[in-house]
Amino acid sequence: SQELEQSPQSLIVQEGKNLTINCTSSKTLYGLYWYKQKYGEGLIFLMMLQKGGEEKSHEKITAKLDEKKQQSSLHITASQPSHAGIYLCGATNSGNTPLVFGKGTRLSVIA
Amino acid sequence: KAGVTQTPRYLIKTRGQQVTLSCSPISGHRSVSWYQQTPGQGLQFLFEYFSETQRNKGNFPGRFSGRQFSNSRSEMNVSTLELGDSALYLCASSLTFSPRADTQYFGPGTRLTVL
Repeated sequence: SQELEQSPQSLIVQEGKNLTINCTSSKTLYGLYWYKQKYGEGLIFLMMLQKGGEEKSHEKITAKLDEKKQQSSLHITASQPSHAGIYLCGATNSGNTPLVFGKGTRLSVIA
Repeated sequence: KAGVTQTPRYLIKTRGQQVTLSCSPISGHRSVSWYQQTPGQGLQFLFEYFSETQRNKGNFPGRFSGRQFSNSRSEMNVSTLELGDSALYLCASSLTFSPRADTQYFGPGTRLTVL
């Protein structure tokens, strides 16, 4: 079965700094999702990537999909306290199989 | 549009009891998926329903069951609760049952504590 490994597991950055979170799949990626979760709450959809080389941005968050490396990266520019939370990647390796999620990256942004 | 709603938000039960959780999807969405989230195992897929039919099932014991109604609302039931069932149970809805094509939108979750 597909497994997703996220790195780092946790991250503490100073406000204003840039950061990158990686998500690596054990199998071919056909759809890759990024979600953000505040502790103990539901997941907020950030972005979905479907094609190799695809890159999407929303406000200060950019996600890329490298199909050859079976990897996706999430980059935050000029981090703010509102970016703090747990970032989860989810993926499927075929059309109708359920999403599998990584264990998450806990991001803290300090002033 | 209203988002995915889950009730109740918090629940405390004792071992051996059973529990029913409810999920109302986004209007127009016909697929509902359920996930269990724990600190140790992370987010794990329970089952998915589309048009009242179970399409996929995760690797959970038979104590975990679910159903979907004609209005797409879904319920999940856990019988004979165990301490290890304490978790955040998340429901997600999408237009169809193809995760590759349709984004899943999550509800706020139900926090279940088993004593």
